[in-house]
Amino acid sequence: EDKVVQSPLSLVVHEGDTVTLNCSYEVTNFRSLLWYKQEKKAPTFLFMLTSSGIEKKSGRLSSILDKKELFSILNITATQTGDSAVYLCAVVDGSGAGSYQLTFGKGTKLSVIP
Amino acid sequence: DAGVTQSPTHLIKTRGQQVTLRCSPKSGHDTVSWYQQALGQGPQFIFQYYEEEERQRGNFPDRFSGHQFPNYSSELNVNALLLGDSALYLCASSLGQGAKTQYFGPGTRLLVL
Repeated sequence: EDKVVQSPLSLVVHEGDTVTLNCSYEVTNFRSLLWYKQEKKAPTFLFMLTSSGIEKKSGRLSSILDKKELFSILNITATQTGDSAVYLCAVVDGSGAGSYQLTFGKGTKLSVIP
Repeated sequence: DAGVTQSPTHLIKTRGQQVTLRCSPKSGHDTVSWYQQALGQGPQFIFQYYEEEERQRGNFPDRFSGHQFPNYSSELNVNALLLGDSALYLCASSLGQGAKTQYFGPGTRLLVL
């Protein structure tokens, strides 16, 4: 059974801090790993990672994948209160005859204090 | 560019009732996936529809069924509701059955009393 584990489950930091969120996985037929940000309801897409060692970057957020050690990290530098959200990690399992389902971790709840 | 839309936003039902949730995919997308997100948990995959057929299914009982229409919109039906069905139901759309990036709608919050 596919498994995605995120850590920590919750984190409280002050504005300006740098945070690192972790995601480890076990997937039968790995295709890619995705990060989402969920503030109220709809998870919004951040990154998709398919290759090891290639950093994806968007503003203050960056992410990297290690396919050998089966994990990914999401870094947020100079955090702002608007970064407060649940960050979800999901892996794509391509075992399903051409159909790709997402398996999610429980998420990391990040709270940024002014 | 219209994103993924879902209706209704909130719903209250009692045990044993049936419910239908609706989803319109992002413009240009043809594949719809449904997820159930319990409080404090990550979304769990229910099933995926492509070309009006259920293509893949997660570990959910037959009480959960769906449909996709020719315009790519989709419905999720849940029969014989249980208290444990209370959750946020998310719809995600993508282009092509094999697409890896899915875009989510705002969800329907279902409460079963």
